[in-house]
Amino acid sequence: NAGVTQTPKFQVLKTGQSMTLQCAQDMNHNSMYWYRQDPGMGLRLIYYSASEGTTDKGEVPNGYNVSRLNKREFSLRLESAAPSQTSVYFCASRLAGGRGTDTQYFGPGTRLTVL
Amino acid sequence: AQSVTQLGSHVSVSEGALVLLRCNYSSSVPPYLFWYVQYPNQGLQLLLKYTSAATLVKGINGFEAEFKKSETSFHLTKPSAHMSDAAEYFCAVSDWLGGGNKLTFGTGTQLKVEL
Repeated sequence: NAGVTQTPKFQVLKTGQSMTLQCAQDMNHNSMYWYRQDPGMGLRLIYYSASEGTTDKGEVPNGYNVSRLNKREFSLRLESAAPSQTSVYFCASRLAGGRGTDTQYFGPGTRLTVL
Repeated sequence: AQSVTQLGSHVSVSEGALVLLRCNYSSSVPPYLFWYVQYPNQGLQLLLKYTSAATLVKGINGFEAEFKKSETSFHLTKPSAHMSDAAEYFCAVSDWLGGGNKLTFGTGTQLKVEL
């Protein structure tokens, strides 16, 4: 079991470039999430997918799009990167069988720098 | 909306000393509360969680936390710090959105353990 995997681990972009961050989980979880982590701000939710076929905005969705490709995969796309999107991005997943399954499991993160 | 506040962005203790990391929550419904740990350049790992069963929750690596409704607190403790405990710790509250559970994180506490 690899758990939650993310690619790439590191990325440097120029302002205006686009890229897609990939996330996959092999735990047969229903819900998946994208967070960004910035110093002194904790983790903030960008988008989430409660189940395959659904996506919803989180706290900081502007400048991002997501795709729930299938039950395993949830990608995050930056269409036109900006320096304010320099951050560490984490993907997480959760079984989602009711309130007793609230634990989210996190990937190792993608460190993105936008110049 | 639910929120958590972590008092002290940096905490320093001597090896063998008590570790106390503070977390206060705000919630309009009975909360589910979590402590996660993040080691350098890694993702978040669940330490423990409170889901309305026992108020004293034991987690991994000798950590425990006590849910105190009267104080709206969920402080994390460990009787004797080890050098390997040096990491960043995040408190989080679960915001139930039907099928789309959302975690709201505190801003984190960096724990330093000194010889």
